[in-house]
Amino acid sequence: RKEVEQDPGPFNVPEGATVAFNCTYSNSASQSFFWYRQDCRKEPKLLMSVYSSGNEDGRFTAQLNRASQYISLLIRDSKLSDSATYLCVVNPSGGSYIPTFGRGTSLIVHP
Amino acid sequence: SAVISQKPSRDICQRGTSLTIQCQVDSQVTMMFWYRQQPGQSLTLIATANQGSEATYESGFVIDKFPISRPNLTFSTLTVSNMSPEDSSIYLCSVEDGVGKGETQYFGPGTRLLVL
Repeated sequence: RKEVEQDPGPFNVPEGATVAFNCTYSNSASQSFFWYRQDCRKEPKLLMSVYSSGNEDGRFTAQLNRASQYISLLIRDSKLSDSATYLCVVNPSGGSYIPTFGRGTSLIVHP
Repeated sequence: SAVISQKPSRDICQRGTSLTIQCQVDSQVTMMFWYRQQPGQSLTLIATANQGSEATYESGFVIDKFPISRPNLTFSTLTVSNMSPEDSSIYLCSVEDGVGKGETQYFGPGTRLLVL
C-alpha cells in the first residue's frame, strides 16, 4: 500500500459545483497534514493545513479522520480558476520532517 | 513565507553532460530540500541539503549522481551529473518554514530539464 494515495481524477465539474477529494495515508503516526495546489507547469503552493477539528478557508474545507486515516478537501461554488492539481501531503512526525506527497488529484472546472 | 528563486528556469542538455541548479532563499532557513517531479507524477525527494555537512540522500539517489552543496543558510546547489534522457524532469528546491506556521514547505519555481 502506498504511503499516501489519491484518486488522480480528473474530476470534471461545472462552475458552481461542489467537489470533494479524499486522500488516504498508511502511517498512523502521521502528525501534520496539508493540501497543496499545483497549477500546470508551476510549483506546488500551500493551500491549507488540515487540523484535527477540521478547518475552513472561504470556499475550501479540510477535514481529518484519524480513525480511517484519511483527509478530505471540499471545494464549494467551484470557479474556473480552481482548475489545478491538488496534492495531499502527510508529515510523519512533529518537528523537522520529511513529508510524503500524494500523486495529486486533477480538477477541471468548466463553464 | 520565504521567497525562493532557482536558476536556470529551464535547460536542454546533451546526454553525458552535467547541470548545476542553484536555489536562493531570501531568508535564513534550516531545512532545504531537493525534489524531482516527472511528468504526471508526484514529487520525489532526492535529498535534504544540510548546511556545513554532507546532504542526506533518499533511497535510490546517490551523491555521485546528484552532488549537493549548502555553503550557507540561504543557498544550495544540486548538480545532475552524467545526464541521460531519464533525468528529464522538473527539479524543485524547497524550504521548511516552521515559524508559527507548522511544518509547511515552500517551493521554488522549479528547473525544467530536458536531456537529449
